[in-house]
Amino acid sequence: EVQLVESGGGLVQPGRSLRLSCAASGFTFGDYAMHWVRQVPGKGLEWVSGLSWNSGYIGYADSVKGRFTISRDNAKSSLYLQMNSLRAEDTALYYCAKGDYHGSGAYADYWGQGTLVTVSS
Amino acid sequence: DIVMTQTPLSSPVTLGQPASISCRSSQSLVHSDGSTYLSWLQQRPGQPPRLLIYNIFNRFSGVPDRFSGSGAGTDFTLKISRVEAEDVGVYYCMQATQFPRTFGQGTKVEIK
Repeated sequence: EVQLVESGGGLVQPGRSLRLSCAASGFTFGDYAMHWVRQVPGKGLEWVSGLSWNSGYIGYADSVKGRFTISRDNAKSSLYLQMNSLRAEDTALYYCAKGDYHGSGAYADYWGQGTLVTVSS
Repeated sequence: DIVMTQTPLSSPVTLGQPASISCRSSQSLVHSDGSTYLSWLQQRPGQPPRLLIYNIFNRFSGVPDRFSGSGAGTDFTLKISRVEAEDVGVYYCMQATQFPRTFGQGTKVEIK
């Protein structure tokens, strides 16, 4: 059974940093693209970042480019999102999602429950 | 960035009746490899999103066959042949032809 468990969220002051983690199980992590998607409670989905199975393709939303960095550790079956210079508008529930096999994220077929990030002074 | 526009934003439907959601992209979603990376997701209240359809019309594992996808180029449609109570939620289209990936605004399906 595919499982994705996000962690690392919490309350952080504007301008500070936070690192999100996503622990994957139930599939061969290193063979799949991965995504980070966020959602302000009660609002729509916003794609944040994604990377291909071999990290050859990496993309970011314009709203986070230059501040967030996505990475993966295949040995640990884990996905990360380093978030720097956080702003109030980054407040959201952050989901980790699994992509396609040997792909660059053509879809997102399994999702975690999310971790809540609140940026406030 | 590719802008995804869904219509309608809200769709009250009678149980057992069909529902249709449109998704239009600001540019063609045909990738240089020939595929079209348009997917549909469902988000039930209080739940994470769930993949329904990928690459325009491919139903994901376990998705009931009352859900179907169609379209090409810039215009795509998700149809529910006979709406059931469990179909209540918000539906999103997502393009993955180009970085950054982008979602539509979402369409809320509710029972009349």
